[in-house]
Amino acid sequence: EIVLTQSPATLSLSPGERATLSCRASQSISTYLAWYQQKPGQAPRLLIYDASNRATGIPARFSGSGSGTDFTLTISSLEPEDFAVYYCQHRNNWPLSFGGGTKVEIK
Amino acid sequence: EVQLVESGGGLVQPGGSLRLSCAASGFSFSSYAMAWVRQAPGKGLEWVSSILISGDSTNYADSVKGRFTISRDNSKNTLYLQMNSLRAEDTAIYYCSKDRMAPSPGYAFDIWGQGTMVTVSS
Repeated sequence: EIVLTQSPATLSLSPGERATLSCRASQSISTYLAWYQQKPGQAPRLLIYDASNRATGIPARFSGSGSGTDFTLTISSLEPEDFAVYYCQHRNNWPLSFGGGTKVEIK
Repeated sequence: EVQLVESGGGLVQPGGSLRLSCAASGFSFSSYAMAWVRQAPGKGLEWVSSILISGDSTNYADSVKGRFTISRDNSKNTLYLQMNSLRAEDTAIYYCSKDRMAPSPGYAFDIWGQGTMVTVSS
């Protein structure tokens, strides 16, 4: 079973700043990684699939990179609506799994 | 509008059963793999189960294998999750989700329902 470890657990930033979130896999997963955003009381929203492809309607300030075991989600300039919890998820094999999440909070 | 609407959650005693449903609309349900993902109160996301388009290929998290059964009725545009032998640790919001690709699944989920709460307690 592949374990995804996200860091940091919490990221305190101000609007306009750059956010860099990390997701590390316990074994190589090629580029089979997705990123989701979840706001309180809402369902998750797909941001990125296959490591670097933005989902439909996702703003260009969101970008993903990485392959193998190390992945990064970057938000180039935080907007007020970007403060939320972010999860990574692999699709390399069964069982699928999610990382523990990174909370991006307002500093 | 593409939409998923879950139902069937509620309070159940340990050892009991529940059947969740997810009604799909606004897309060709029979063309997409589907999944259930859960979230315990205040915790992260946990993949539970996935089913391919014909319904004959299913996969489960180890935590629910042998107790939960995923199924679909393409004629009714509905996804199901039969949950038996429920435990306190199954308490969570259960989300229905749609695969982003068709007909071959991409195993990333682009549409989610609002979730249905399952509480297992005596």
